[in-house]
Amino acid sequence: DAGITQSPRHKVTETGTPVTLRCHQTENHRYMYWYRQDPGHGLRLIHYSYGVKDTDKGEVSDGYSVSRSKTEDFLLTLESATSSQTSVYFCATRALTGHGYTFGSGTRLTVV
Amino acid sequence: DQQVKQNSPSLSVQEGRISILNCDYTNSMFDYFLWYKKYPAEGPTFLISISSIKDKNEDGRFTVFLNKSAKHLSLHIVPSQPGDSAVYFCAASVTTDSWGKLQFGAGTQVVVTP
Repeated sequence: DAGITQSPRHKVTETGTPVTLRCHQTENHRYMYWYRQDPGHGLRLIHYSYGVKDTDKGEVSDGYSVSRSKTEDFLLTLESATSSQTSVYFCATRALTGHGYTFGSGTRLTVV
Repeated sequence: DQQVKQNSPSLSVQEGRISILNCDYTNSMFDYFLWYKKYPAEGPTFLISISSIKDKNEDGRFTVFLNKSAKHLSLHIVPSQPGDSAVYFCAASVTTDSWGKLQFGAGTQVVVTP
């Protein structure tokens, strides 16, 4: 069973609609991150969190919000989806010590 | 402006030969570097890392070299195998950043041919 589960795995939504992506971890890691992957850009940080209700913005946070009401869950919300938010979204966690991330399998989001 | 750059979007190499992937960075505060490997429809997985106090780290077929003066690191895969066909991301961090944020390069697609 995966330590990090992202849901849904695939989603198609219409422009202007709100969308929420979920990341659930069983690692008990304090740090959680949301990245988006786009061709030519690699992985870019959207938002990150140190713990419950402790979040901050990354380099591409416009149009996104996050919430973390439980250690194990980190939600990413696209407030009003746009075509430029079509991307693959990855959630990652990090232990308190160490530098590396553990990634989820990703959510492929298409905004039409 | 990307602080971590992988200027080769793709690399094709024959099975058994060496694969060399390159990565450049601009932020002199970066002091920890990682390589991740990604297969289609999966999340990236950690491959190997290096601290700025070292210039080389080896793990089996994978070796990472760091040249701090040139702000350059490279990943060597010897010998290359078909299962190495994947996208490889270079990442960098500042260890004094308590948030542990990683900056990623754009990735290099490696194809290992028989």
